[in-house]
Amino acid sequence: QSVLTQPPSVSAAPGQKVTISCSGSSSNIGNNYVSWYQQLPGTAPKLLIYENNKRPSGIPDRFSGSKSGTSATLGITGLQTGDEADYYCAAWDGSLSAYVFGTGTKVTVL
Amino acid sequence: EVQLVESGGGLVQPGGSLRLSCAASGFTFSSYWMHWVRQAPGKGLVWVSRINGDGGFMNYADSVKGRFTISRDNAKNTLYLQMNSLRAEDTAVYYCARDFNSGYWGQGTLVTVSS
Repeated sequence: QSVLTQPPSVSAAPGQKVTISCSGSSSNIGNNYVSWYQQLPGTAPKLLIYENNKRPSGIPDRFSGSKSGTSATLGITGLQTGDEADYYCAAWDGSLSAYVFGTGTKVTVL
Repeated sequence: EVQLVESGGGLVQPGGSLRLSCAASGFTFSSYWMHWVRQAPGKGLVWVSRINGDGGFMNYADSVKGRFTISRDNAKNTLYLQMNSLRAEDTAVYYCARDFNSGYWGQGTLVTVSS
């Protein structure tokens, strides 16, 4: 049972923008950094955002992250067919002493 | 180049044991926290355990506490996950990952618990 809640799916046309929300609590998002991962079918997760809004080398600026209170958001602009994947948020939970992942969101490019 | 290669997965009966390994290369292994994360077929990512650089501090998810043991051999640049008392719900692809800010994950190894 994940403690970080995401919408099951979001969709948009190519070139458009989507946002994915991640809702948590003060024990995780509220007091710790949030990361975001992209997972293509049959592959390992790929880090898109770390420490709320930082992009690793090689991640295009079409991907952005933000955090406010106990929620975080991933934004993807200029949507491409290659962006069709599952996306997960994640954060350390101090109360559980465990790293927690979100429920996952499937992005569909219409 | 950083590489993480998992091995040791396979088919095991309920109640059985299995040890996973993660061979690391391309970085100073002893300097980094390491994690295990699993993903059941068609399901989401679930964090399993982590261990600090010198192997003296570990955390576990409640679902595996008391059954799984994470360890590391810094001389061999290898991370381990000893899994005992395996259950059907432990069936998953198991990934090892370096500190979560780095984005380095292995390709995963499949563990199937079934009679």
